[in-house]
Amino acid sequence: DAGVIQSPRHEVTEMGQEVTLRCKPISGHDYLFWYRQTMMRGLELLIYFNNNVPIDDSGMPEDRFSAKMPNASFSTLKIQPSEPRDSAVYFCASSLWTGVENTGELFFGEGSRLTVL
Amino acid sequence: DAKTTQPPSMDCAEGRAANLPCNHSTISGNEYVYWYRQIHSQGPQYIIHGLKNNETNEMASLIITEDRKSSTLILPHATLRDTAVYYCIGFLGNTGKLIFGQGTTLQVKP
Repeated sequence: DAGVIQSPRHEVTEMGQEVTLRCKPISGHDYLFWYRQTMMRGLELLIYFNNNVPIDDSGMPEDRFSAKMPNASFSTLKIQPSEPRDSAVYFCASSLWTGVENTGELFFGEGSRLTVL
Repeated sequence: DAKTTQPPSMDCAEGRAANLPCNHSTISGNEYVYWYRQIHSQGPQYIIHGLKNNETNEMASLIITEDRKSSTLILPHATLRDTAVYYCIGFLGNTGKLIFGQGTTLQVKP
């Protein structure tokens, strides 16, 4: 399996621009997670989906952030407009429903490093 | 989810066992203990998990105290490649979400 695939790996943009990060989860996985990592705040859970439906978006910082999962093999995290404080590494992860409950074994992508100037 | 407490940093000599402690005194009865690690600039990697019993896999061993208030992750023969941040996390399967704390930075030295 190719694992969780994220794109772009690196993005440099200017304040005010729209940023779209993409994620392809592992085939067959039911859950998809978006995390953000900064030195100051560590790894923060932004939002997660189950079977393409957003379950908990309480970690999304503000209305400038939105996430979608139009199908089981694709998700996007969009920031519009972007600000310098959004600079971070954004990780996508996926996991599998065991039939009883969700496993806590998440498979992470390599991350998208965003720099907003 | 239980709050976990870990030392911010630890050192270990290469080839020796690394014992990483974690306190989780508020853990609930159906809450698992999960361990992840993150090697610099990579995504976190699952290591091991347990509920009540001690667990072992090809990467590590997990020792959970009988009262479940603490646990220890053991890397039996640490190598330089084990240098990473190690996270101990309380996880409830019915919530589905994994919340990372600050973790322990393990430095394996030659």
